[in-house]
Amino acid sequence: AQSVTQLGSHVSVSEGALVLLRCNYSSSVPPYLFWYVQYPNQGLQLLLKYTSAATLVKGINGFEAEFKKSETSFHLTKPSAHMSDAAEYFCAVSPPLSSASKIIFGSGTRLSIRP
Amino acid sequence: SQTIHQWPATLVQPVGSPLSLECTVEGTSNPNLYWYRQAAGRGLQLLFYSVGIGQISSEVPQNLSASRPQDRQFILSSKKLLLSDSGFYLCAWRAQGAGTEAFFGQGTRLTVV
Repeated sequence: AQSVTQLGSHVSVSEGALVLLRCNYSSSVPPYLFWYVQYPNQGLQLLLKYTSAATLVKGINGFEAEFKKSETSFHLTKPSAHMSDAAEYFCAVSPPLSSASKIIFGSGTRLSIRP
Repeated sequence: SQTIHQWPATLVQPVGSPLSLECTVEGTSNPNLYWYRQAAGRGLQLLFYSVGIGQISSEVPQNLSASRPQDRQFILSSKKLLLSDSGFYLCAWRAQGAGTEAFFGQGTRLTVV
């Protein structure tokens, strides 16, 4: 079964510092991978997705993620953190089959930004 | 453009009372539909998903059920709520096919008292 593991339930960085949120997936074949952001009491918003077109994926709000098959990872990064980036971030996986329907989410990482 | 509506935004219900949460999607046809629950400090737990009218897959045995009476309508129900049913419930849709992303509603905060 497919799954994702997000290392670190809470990450705190200073404003202007590098943001690195970790995600590792478990799958026998490269799946589709997603990063979502959730602000308090709201639904989830897609940041970016990997669908095998390119290993480095750029998303909204200056975020990007790199797919590394050898490490089964899809870590999310942003060069310079902004106060508005404080939110919960979820990594998600979906099987690489058109007939597959599930999207499975990780446990989330809460990002805090220190002034 | 596609939109997803989920209501109510907040709900406080006594233990043992019934539940009905509704989700509708506009601007698309034959979507996959999903119900997730998010407990405090935890990730998203997939409860049910549906690939078509009347087709429901249950992920976790629980006190809840789901129905899809119309193509773009997805309902989450319970006959008798438990305290453990409290949480943030999210409805989502995605287009059929591989690699499509999910779009989420604004969620319902359910508190069972």
